Amino acid sequence: NAGVTQTPKFQVLKTGQSMTLQCAQDMNHEYMSWYRQDPGMGLRLIHYSVGAGITDQGEVPNGYNVSRSTTEDFPLRLLSAAPSQTSVYFCASTPGAGGPWNEQFFGPGTRLTVL
Amino acid sequence: AQKVTQAQTEISVVEKEDVTLDCVYETRDTTYYLFWYKQPPSGELVFLIRRNSFDEQNEISGRYSWNFQKSTSSFNFTITASQVVDSAVYFCALSEATSGSARQLTFGSGTQLTVLP
Repeated sequence: NAGVTQTPKFQVLKTGQSMTLQCAQDMNHEYMSWYRQDPGMGLRLIHYSVGAGITDQGEVPNGYNVSRSTTEDFPLRLLSAAPSQTSVYFCASTPGAGGPWNEQFFGPGTRLTVL
Repeated sequence: AQKVTQAQTEISVVEKEDVTLDCVYETRDTTYYLFWYKQPPSGELVFLIRRNSFDEQNEISGRYSWNFQKSTSSFNFTITASQVVDSAVYFCALSEATSGSARQLTFGSGTQLTVLP
C-alpha cells in the first residue's frame, strides 16, 4: 500500500493563478480531509469528505473547492491564488465511516508559495 | 464549539530529562476522542495515541505516557528520559462524536520540543 499520496510536493504560484493539489489513498478509507499548516496555528481543517459524492466545509474553506468523485481521490482546488494561501497543505484519510474518530493517515504534504 | 489549547509554544530540555506537554480541551459533547501527533523535522505527521472520553485510564508506551483527566479537561503527554530524537512539534487534537461539528478534527497550535544533547 502506498498510503496517502500528494502531488506536487512543492509549488510556486503567482497571485490569481489556479491549481489543483492532488490527494489519493489506496486504503479504502471513507473519510478524507485537507488541512493547512501555518506557523503557530497548528493544522486547520479546510474541507472534508465522509464518502464519495459528499463534501463539507471545515474551519477555513474560503478560496478552496473540493470534490470527491471516487473513494480514492480527493483533490483540492485553489480558485484564484492569494499570498494568504501560502502554506503547507496536508491531506489525510481515516478508516471507518462517519468521522475522524480513528487514527488519521497523513500524506507527505505540499508546500505552496503564492507570490 | 470544540477547542484545543497547547499553551506551551516551545520547550527546551537536556537529554535524559523528563518533559510534560500540556493539552487542555473544550467540548460540550459527552462523547469525544483525543489524539496526539508528532511532527519531526522531516515534516510528516505521525500518530501517537487515541483516547475516547469514556476511557480515563492513563497509558504508558515505553518512554511515553499520557494522563487523561476529564475533571480538568486535560490530556497531557509525558516523555521520560528524553532523547534527541524526540525533538519535534507535538500536536494535541480533538474530535467530537455527536455534536454538529462531530466530523471535524480540531488541532492545537502545537508544542515545539527541543531536546539538547
